[in-house]
Amino acid sequence: QVQLVESGGGLVKPGGSLRLTCAASGFTFSDYYMSWIRQAPGKGLEWVSHISNSNTYPKYADSVKGRFTISRDNAKNSLYLQLKSLRAEDTAVYYCARPTGDFAFDIWGQGTVVTVSS
Amino acid sequence: QSVLTQPPSVSAAPGQKVTISCSGSRSNIGSNYVAWYQQVPGTAPKLLIYESNKRPSGIPDRFSGSKSGTSATLGITGLQTGDEADYYCGTWDTGLSAVVFGGGTKLTVL
Repeated sequence: QVQLVESGGGLVKPGGSLRLTCAASGFTFSDYYMSWIRQAPGKGLEWVSHISNSNTYPKYADSVKGRFTISRDNAKNSLYLQLKSLRAEDTAVYYCARPTGDFAFDIWGQGTVVTVSS
Repeated sequence: QSVLTQPPSVSAAPGQKVTISCSGSRSNIGSNYVAWYQQVPGTAPKLLIYESNKRPSGIPDRFSGSKSGTSATLGITGLQTGDEADYYCGTWDTGLSAVVFGGGTKLTVL
């Protein structure tokens, strides 16, 4: 079935780095834009980034621009998010999600937890 | 501070109807379709409504969406205890070149 599975979260010190991975299955991954969305503890949803199906035209939220990098490998059906210069306010559950043409997210992963703390 | 504004909470009795509002501006709701999501605490969000008023396969017709100008509304009829969740609206913001969400509305079925 259609599925997204995130991995790579963990505990990291402020200023540290982490790489998140999202493994897709059950659909033609290369046909879709893909996105990362996060949710801080007790807070709402925050869109982080998206990338086109051809691994071009990345876009980022202002809060992560210059620190996070999105990429994908269509041959491996995988989406990535490289997190650098992490801050306490980056602590959140990070979801991988598939957007439709109008950026409604119809498929979500289960999320991976990133905790930034000393 | 979210770009889209939702009421923090709404409540109604089982079997009743509730509406959740989502207010934005010309650059987001005024120019683009709206989506609605349901999130049970501890789980990933689930798409309820896309293109402002369409339901994905498997979503019951108790859930409906509408949009007028720079505001959108989610309606839920025949409330069930299983509908207790957080509900979020979202859309593309043309001015910000970003996806924006509302702050979420907690639905309590009394």
